[in-house]
Order: sequence, then C-alpha cells, then structure tokens
Amino acid sequence: QKEVEQDPGPLSVPEGAIVSLNCTYSNSAFQYFMWYRQYSRKGPELLMYTYSSGNKEDGRFTAQVDKSSKYISLFIRDSQPSDSATYLCAMSATQYSGGSNYKLTFGKGTLLTVNP
Amino acid sequence: KAGVTQTPRYLIKTRGQQVTLSCSPISGHRSVSWYQQTPGQGLQFLFEYFSETQRNKGNFPGRFSGRQFSNSRSEMNVSTLELGDSALYLCASSDDPPTDYEQYFGPGTRLTVT
Repeated sequence: QKEVEQDPGPLSVPEGAIVSLNCTYSNSAFQYFMWYRQYSRKGPELLMYTYSSGNKEDGRFTAQVDKSSKYISLFIRDSQPSDSATYLCAMSATQYSGGSNYKLTFGKGTLLTVNP
Repeated sequence: KAGVTQTPRYLIKTRGQQVTLSCSPISGHRSVSWYQQTPGQGLQFLFEYFSETQRNKGNFPGRFSGRQFSNSRSEMNVSTLELGDSALYLCASSDDPPTDYEQYFGPGTRLTVT
C-alpha cells in the first residue's frame, strides 16, 4: 500500500463550482499536511499548510484533516478558470527544521480543469 | 527576490550518457532539495544539501548524485542514463532554520532519455 493515495482525476468542473480534492494515507505518524498547486510547466507552490486534525481556511480555499480516518481534503469555493492546475497533497511526520530525518511524501496529484 | 532558477529547462540525452542539472536557490537560502517527478511515481525526494553537505537522501540508486557550492548553488548528476530516468527534475530551496515552512520550487528541468 502506498503511503499517500490521491485520485489523479482528471476532474473537470464549471466555473463557480465547489471543488473537493482528497488524499488518504497509511502512515499514522504523519502530522503535517500540505497542499501544493502546480501549473503546467511550473514547479509546485504551497497553498495550504495544516498541523494535526482540523480545518484551516484561506480565502476560497479550505483544508481539512481527519487523522482518525487518515483522510485530508482541500475545498475550493467559487472555482475560477485560473484554478486549473494539478493539486498535490503532501505530508510529513515532523516539522521541517532542517534536520536530517525530515521527509516529505507527496501524492501523485489531481489534475483540475475549471471551465468558463 | 528572484525565485529559484534551474538550467537547462529541457534536455534530451541518450541511454548511457550522463547529465548535470543546475539549481540556483533564492538569495539567502542555504538548503536545496532535489525531487524527481514522473506520471507513474509522482514527486519523489532525491536528496537535500545544506552548507555544501548532503543532509538527507531518498531511495534512489547511486547513479544519482549531487553537490552544493559555497554560494548555495547546487548541481545534480545522473550517470549512465536509463529510459526510466526521463522525468521533470525539480529543485526547491528554503531558509534554514526556516522562518516559514515553505519550500520554494523552481520550474524544473525536463529530461528526456532516448
């Protein structure tokens, strides 16, 4: 079983729709959860960063973590064509501190297209 | 500040050859990490360098190596290229100790092995 599973999609939605992106994981040691957005021909950029369980909101984006189910979600409200990108979840057991034991594990990404 | 830059952006090599990729981190960042991204395996961690020393390493064969210079610029080298090495190679830099969590990624080098 992969440590992190993410449905690759593709996911196509009309402009203004609510988008739900999800990842499941098997390593119960994961405590730090991130969502990255990657536009075509670009490197990933960090969207949301969450520690442990709970919700975090930033504008149109909401990240949810359910550690009991080993399930994380990213919701995008009022989706825009500019949100069209690949969304990658990532997680780690420790906070990045520059130490030698740090490891960030990524999902394979979900390709999202928002149609005008 | 200028972002992370990677050169070249695209490369085509033949099996058995070797290749060197370059990464210039954001000014002031001393930690540089390398990742391989493929459709089949996703984003996988290769190694991290800090102050010219490899501090962390992923599960890749010894054909993959890297180094970091005193100005924090980093290179990675892949020897005896295989078809399966075709991928997007991403470099990311960060503060150390970090003032925030984020690793800042470059645009990547697209390597095609024929």
